[in-house]
Amino acid sequence: AQSVTQLGSHVSVSEGALVLLRCNYSSSVPPYLFWYVQYPNQGLQLLLKYTSAATLVKGINGFEAEFKKSETSFHLTKPSAHMSDAAEYFCAVSASTGGGNKLTFGTGTQLKVEL
Amino acid sequence: GAVVSQHPSWVICKSGTSVKIECRSLDFQATTMFWYRQFPKQSLMLMATSNEGSKATYEQGVEKDKFLINHASLTLSTLTVTSAHPEDSSFYICSARAGGYVLTFGAGSRLTVL
Repeated sequence: AQSVTQLGSHVSVSEGALVLLRCNYSSSVPPYLFWYVQYPNQGLQLLLKYTSAATLVKGINGFEAEFKKSETSFHLTKPSAHMSDAAEYFCAVSASTGGGNKLTFGTGTQLKVEL
Repeated sequence: GAVVSQHPSWVICKSGTSVKIECRSLDFQATTMFWYRQFPKQSLMLMATSNEGSKATYEQGVEKDKFLINHASLTLSTLTVTSAHPEDSSFYICSARAGGYVLTFGAGSRLTVL
């Protein structure tokens, strides 16, 4: 079974500041990990994914995440926040075996970017 | 890139009526599609896995007679909310895999039952 925990349901940063969204996972098998972004009344857009290759993963819009097995973490970062980054962010995990079809989502983190 | 289209994006219906939501993979074939439900300010909960040409697999606690899923072709899955009630009001999102381990999501369908 897999699960993810996102610490902080709301994160507020100033424009230009570092963005750090936390995600910890639990998985009985090697995991695949994902970050998705959701804008209001829209579906989810993939930001980046970890599928057992490089532990530092770069995604779209300047985001990146690092897979740390020892800490069971997959935190999302961006060096400089932009107003357009304001959205809901979801961390998700799936099993790397058994087809990996099912995604289990975290509860989400609402990112607010202030001037 | 892979595109998943949902229709309608918004629907309002009266209590007791049925509503059908379509999920189409526009530029790829999908033998498996997934239906999620999202309550306001909450995460996505997997409702069921839609399998082309066979019965859907429902998650525990999801009423299969309430949420009818049909996956008649490799590019279309439909979710029908039967005898809808206000508590069925939610944001319904579908997804499909174009290849690899990445799911492509539709833009979602917001259902409001009066």
